[in-house]
Amino acid sequence: DTGVSQNPRHKITKRGQNVTFRCDPISEHNRLYWYRQTLGQGPEFLTYFQNEAQLEKSRLLSDRFSAERPKGSFSTLEIQRTEQGDSAMYLCASSGTYPGLAGAEQFFGPGTRLTVL
Amino acid sequence: GESVGLHLPTLSVQEGDNSIINCAYSNSASDYFIWYKQESGKGPQFIIDIRSNMDKRQGQRVTVLLNKTVKHLSLQIAATQPGDSAVYFCAEMAGGGADGLTFGKGTHLIIQP
Repeated sequence: DTGVSQNPRHKITKRGQNVTFRCDPISEHNRLYWYRQTLGQGPEFLTYFQNEAQLEKSRLLSDRFSAERPKGSFSTLEIQRTEQGDSAMYLCASSGTYPGLAGAEQFFGPGTRLTVL
Repeated sequence: GESVGLHLPTLSVQEGDNSIINCAYSNSASDYFIWYKQESGKGPQFIIDIRSNMDKRQGQRVTVLLNKTVKHLSLQIAATQPGDSAVYFCAEMAGGGADGLTFGKGTHLIIQP
């Protein structure tokens, strides 16, 4: 399978615990995005990496959230001191080139569904 | 704030008919638009994209129309099939993509036999 993969697919945690999700993008893609999606809504942008550099962060990304892409390949998203409001689907997407050019579309992974009890 | 939205939360069509899903956007700086299909429990699946210097683009059974004058985007699906049942999102992007895609709330397309 050469698509975007995410692990774990499901995570149930208790409020106050830390969680970490992993995203493996399509191997030749240098751009990686994280989104959050709640029930009935479209995905909301969280952060963006170009290679290993985190170039943009949304206001939605509070200081309890941190993302890394240490070698410009896989990425991790960590949520510290989880809250019930963090319950959502966390989606990762990757793309290869400048948006609007052929091959620049973002391909999404299956997501990690987080439930905070 | 500026966002992308869809006109109808649900659209029901007969199998074999054509369907049109509409989307209005408000960010005049947007220069790239994408339609995604999302099935239950899965991530969004790319359908088709269009740049702001185009007004129409066709794919296999799908056509995207862009009207920049009224900031309107539509997705036409020809000869709908049961597998087309899903939630459809339009999304827009401005500039170099550093701010990611802005998605609307989605239209749930239901294909009736």
